[in-house]
Amino acid sequence: DQQVKQNSPSLSVQEGRISILNCDYTNSMFDYFLWYKKYPAEGPTFLISISSIKDKNEDGRFTVFLNKSAKHLSLHIVPSQPGDSAVYFCAASAVRVGGKLIFGQGTELSVKP
Amino acid sequence: GAGVSQSPSNKVTEKGKDVELRCDPISGHTALYWYRQSLGQGLEFLIYFQGNSAPDKSGLPSDRFSAERTGGSVSTLTIQRTQQEDSAVYLCASSPLGSSSYNEQFFGPGTRLTVL
Repeated sequence: DQQVKQNSPSLSVQEGRISILNCDYTNSMFDYFLWYKKYPAEGPTFLISISSIKDKNEDGRFTVFLNKSAKHLSLHIVPSQPGDSAVYFCAASAVRVGGKLIFGQGTELSVKP
Repeated sequence: GAGVSQSPSNKVTEKGKDVELRCDPISGHTALYWYRQSLGQGLEFLIYFQGNSAPDKSGLPSDRFSAERTGGSVSTLTIQRTQQEDSAVYLCASSPLGSSSYNEQFFGPGTRLTVL
C-alpha cells in the first residue's frame, strides 16, 4: 500500500510562472515532511521540510504547504527557472518509528524557457 | 566538507553472485539509512542504523539482503545470490542526529546495480 502518493508523474511549466507539486499521504502517524530534488545519476538533494505543527514553511523561491485534515502537502516554486527541471520527491517520516523516509513516486518537473 | 560517498558507482553482476555495496556517511552523523530505487519507482526504505545497531530492518526484501555498520561510520549492504529483480539504484543517506529529532537526510550518489 502506497502511504505517500504523488499522482502527477510529470509537470511542464513556463519559466517565470509558478510550479505547484502535490503530494498526499495516508498515515496519520507522519509528523515530518520533506521535499527532495533529484537530477539523473545523482542522489536526492534536500530542498525544504515542514513539521506537522506548522502549515507553511518558506525558503526563498520554495514554499511548502501542509493541510493535515486533508493529508495533503504541496510545494510551490515561484518564479520557476529552467534549472529547477528535475524529479521532485515528497517524503514523510514519523519520529517515533526512527525517522525513516517514506517516499512518493516522484514528479518530473520541466521548466521551459 | 565531504558528503556521503558510495562505492562502486556501478556494478554489473551475474545472477547468483554475491555483491557488496559500501557507504561512507558524513563524518559524525549517527544515523545511516539504505534505500533503493527500482526503475520508474520511488525510493524504498531498506534498513536504518543508529550507531552500529539496526533498530529497523523492516524494508529488507528477503534474507538474501543484510547490512552492517562498523565504528559508527562505514556501512556495507550485502546481497547474496543476486536475482534480476535486485537490479536498482541503491542509495545511502546519513543524518546528524538520532531518531528522536527531526532532521533531513543527506544522500550519496547511489550505486547502480545491474543483475544479468
